[in-house]
Amino acid sequence: GQNIDQPTEMTATEGAIVQINCTYQTSGFNGLFWYQQHAGEAPTFLSYNVLDGLEEKGRFSSFLSRSKGYSYLLLKELQMKDSASYLCAVRDSNYQLIWGAGTKLIIKP
Amino acid sequence: TAGITQAPTSQILAAGRSMTLRCTQDMRHNAMYWYRQDLGLGLRLIHYSNTAGTTGKGEVPDGYSVSRANTDDFPLTLASAVPSQTSVYFCASSAEPDNSPLHFGNGTRLTVT
Repeated sequence: GQNIDQPTEMTATEGAIVQINCTYQTSGFNGLFWYQQHAGEAPTFLSYNVLDGLEEKGRFSSFLSRSKGYSYLLLKELQMKDSASYLCAVRDSNYQLIWGAGTKLIIKP
Repeated sequence: TAGITQAPTSQILAAGRSMTLRCTQDMRHNAMYWYRQDLGLGLRLIHYSNTAGTTGKGEVPDGYSVSRANTDDFPLTLASAVPSQTSVYFCASSAEPDNSPLHFGNGTRLTVT
């Protein structure tokens, strides 16, 4: 079957750096997405990786290794507003999105 | 503001009743999707539409139906609601059904009693 694994919850300190990992086992691969979802709100798009390597967007970076079925989202200079769930999703060979259950990130002052 | 509008925001529905969740987008996106989100689970695809006039079944289609008469609207109908359909429902769209990112509506919180 197809599977996306992410840690359920992580805690980090304001101003620090946190890395959220995502491992996947899917039928084919056509790209990996990261979304942010604040409690009670809709998911919003953060990043997209289809080739191996690091994509940087301001304080957020996303890394992909297709051979390892692995990605991570790196958040730098953490702010309280970064407290949210982070969702990893992979497009399979049929271009269907397979979603992880999300990682709840708690930021402490 | 461009985006996706869902209605209602929340609803309490008696089991056995029918209901249509509305979704409208003004971005002229070709693809639209309905997901449900339940605690501890990833988003699960109910139905999708790659372009106006076509629809397809997702991972959990039973008990739900959709239509795509035009580009903008993608309503989701529950013909006879059951308590297991209690969930948060998100409508989403993407420019194309390939590697385009999804844009989500604000969701409908549905409770079936």
